Amino acid sequence: EPEVTQTPSHQVTQMGQEVILRCVPISNHLYFYWYRQILGQKVEFLVSFYNNEISEKSEIFDDQFSVERPDGSNFTLKIRSTKLEDSAMYFCASRGAGGINQETQYFGPGTRLLVL
Amino acid sequence: DAKTTQPTSMDCAEGRAANLPCNHSTISGNEYVYWYRQIHSQGPQYIIHGLKNNETNEMASLIITEDRKSSTLILPHATLRDTAVYYCIVRAYNNAGNMLTFGGGTRLMVKP
Repeated sequence: EPEVTQTPSHQVTQMGQEVILRCVPISNHLYFYWYRQILGQKVEFLVSFYNNEISEKSEIFDDQFSVERPDGSNFTLKIRSTKLEDSAMYFCASRGAGGINQETQYFGPGTRLLVL
Repeated sequence: DAKTTQPTSMDCAEGRAANLPCNHSTISGNEYVYWYRQIHSQGPQYIIHGLKNNETNEMASLIITEDRKSSTLILPHATLRDTAVYYCIVRAYNNAGNMLTFGGGTRLMVKP
């Protein structure tokens, strides 16, 4: 069964450093998402991406964050200058288009980011 | 998207049916009920969704009341691996890139 994959599974970085989290969505999906979950808290939406542009973003997704689909398969989240409070699990999700049964979002296993 | 209310936690004996309720009294006509679960910090896993008819798949059944103000997710024979946080999410169907809004969910503990 097709699945969303994410790399790396864990990332440790120093405050102020740039990180890039990578995702490979399900191959025929057209909508892509990033969510995050700080330890012990709710899953929070960050950004959605369709047709090579951001379609929605939350207040969390400030100028330090950016997303890109550099090729036909990868979807990346970049944090330019990490802060301690960016420590969280980051989940990528994707979904298809064209009818309600294509609207289900499928999530990857997540990248655990720890900022020291 | 309409707000949902779920119990914070529930227990279920292994092998028994787990019935997880969700209230969504402000649901509107074009909004679907989705259920996801999250097993110990893994990515949320899609379970099932429905509009007004009851739905069943290999994982679970979804019972939606006639007035659509509440629903119940049923895991017919819960196993220890079903221990997870279960999220009931209501969202409209459209083709925009709408996000999912996760609440606190119900922490289901399946006990031997």
